[in-house]
Amino acid sequence: EPEVTQTPSHQVTQMGQEVILRCVPISNHLYFYWYRQILGQKVEFLVSFYNNEISEKSEIFDDQFSVERPDGSNFTLKIRSTKLEDSAMYFCASSELASSTDTQYFGPGTRLTVL
Amino acid sequence: AQSVTQPDIHITVSEGASLELRCNYSYGATPYLFWYVQSPGQGLQLLLKYFSGDTLVQGIKGFEAEFKRSQSSFNLRKPSVHWSDAAEYFCAASFMEYGNKLVFGAGTILRVKS
Repeated sequence: EPEVTQTPSHQVTQMGQEVILRCVPISNHLYFYWYRQILGQKVEFLVSFYNNEISEKSEIFDDQFSVERPDGSNFTLKIRSTKLEDSAMYFCASSELASSTDTQYFGPGTRLTVL
Repeated sequence: AQSVTQPDIHITVSEGASLELRCNYSYGATPYLFWYVQSPGQGLQLLLKYFSGDTLVQGIKGFEAEFKRSQSSFNLRKPSVHWSDAAEYFCAASFMEYGNKLVFGAGTILRVKS
């Protein structure tokens, strides 16, 4: 069964450093998402991406964040200058259609630790 | 603002016992509702979803959920729990007027005792 993959599974970085989290969505999917879960808190939406542009973003997704689909398979989340409060589990998801009813398939997550 | 609430942080049930995990939403209209499960080291796996029609929805792994508009609830049930069901369960909703992002509840950790 096709699945969303994410690398790395765990990333440790120093505050102020740039990190890139990588995701490979399911191959025929067109809609991509990033969510994050700070320890002890809810999973929260960051951004959605369709047709090579951001469709929607949350208040969390400020200028420190960017997303990119650099090639036909990868979808990346970049945090330009990490802060301690960026420490969280980051989930990538994809869906076949751009619809509220379409199932979003999630990857296993990347745990980001900012020291 | 739209929100999803899972009132139980932890639930422990005996293997073979029935299970009900609670989920409530706050929204003016009916949202699209989902239940996901996360096992350690795994991604969020969809158990079932509700959009419209029959209010009792069947999912994978023997789970079902019932939508009750009057109670703004979408509780997840299983008649007989197996040890492999131990995991964290997330209720989520999307709201048509707010795009297709998912709004999650806080999750319920299920422990199964033998």
